[in-house]
Amino acid sequence: NAGVTQTPKFRILKIGQSMTLQCTQDMNHNYMYWYRQDPGMGLKLIYYSVGAGITDKGEVPNGYNVSRSTTEDFPLRLELAAPSQTSVYFCASSTQEGYTFGSGTRLTVV
Amino acid sequence: AQSVTQLDSQVPVFEEAPVELRCNYSSSVSVYLFWYVQYPNQGLQLLLKYLSGSTLVKGINGFEAEFNKSQTSFHLRKPSVHISDTAEYFCAVRALGNEKLTFGTGTRLTIIP
Repeated sequence: NAGVTQTPKFRILKIGQSMTLQCTQDMNHNYMYWYRQDPGMGLKLIYYSVGAGITDKGEVPNGYNVSRSTTEDFPLRLELAAPSQTSVYFCASSTQEGYTFGSGTRLTVV
Repeated sequence: AQSVTQLDSQVPVFEEAPVELRCNYSSSVSVYLFWYVQYPNQGLQLLLKYLSGSTLVKGINGFEAEFNKSQTSFHLRKPSVHISDTAEYFCAVRALGNEKLTFGTGTRLTIIP
């Protein structure tokens, strides 16, 4: 099993550009999440989904959008990139037993 | 709502010495507790979890943690650390019936040779 797959691993964006971070899981998990990780700040929840067609905001949703058209895929969209969005982004899926994380996307906005 | 406090942001320990990473939680309902480890430039992976049963939980790589309900704590311990234990460790909590985790801010464990 691949688990949770994130692409790309690294990306540099210019201010104002847009991009989509891809996340796919092959474990048939209903719950999926997007977090950002900044040094010394732990993990902040951006958006989450409890199943296909259902999404909800987390702690820091501003500047991001998500969709969940299938159980497997949960892409994160940045419409107008800002330097404050420079971070490492992690996607995860879960069951009652715990989370499975992707390997992360390191995004720099310049 | 639940919250998690990891009091120590950085913990330096000599190789082969014991270590304890502290985690305290707050919740008005019953909870499940987790420890995750993040090695440099990698994602997070599950170290151990408490869902029910024995309050002493053993995880991978020789780590263990004890759930203490009266002190609302879930401290992580290892009797003898190795260089390869250098990583960031995150404590997390979730309420029963809710899969969404709340994470602490992490503790960076540095092993000194």
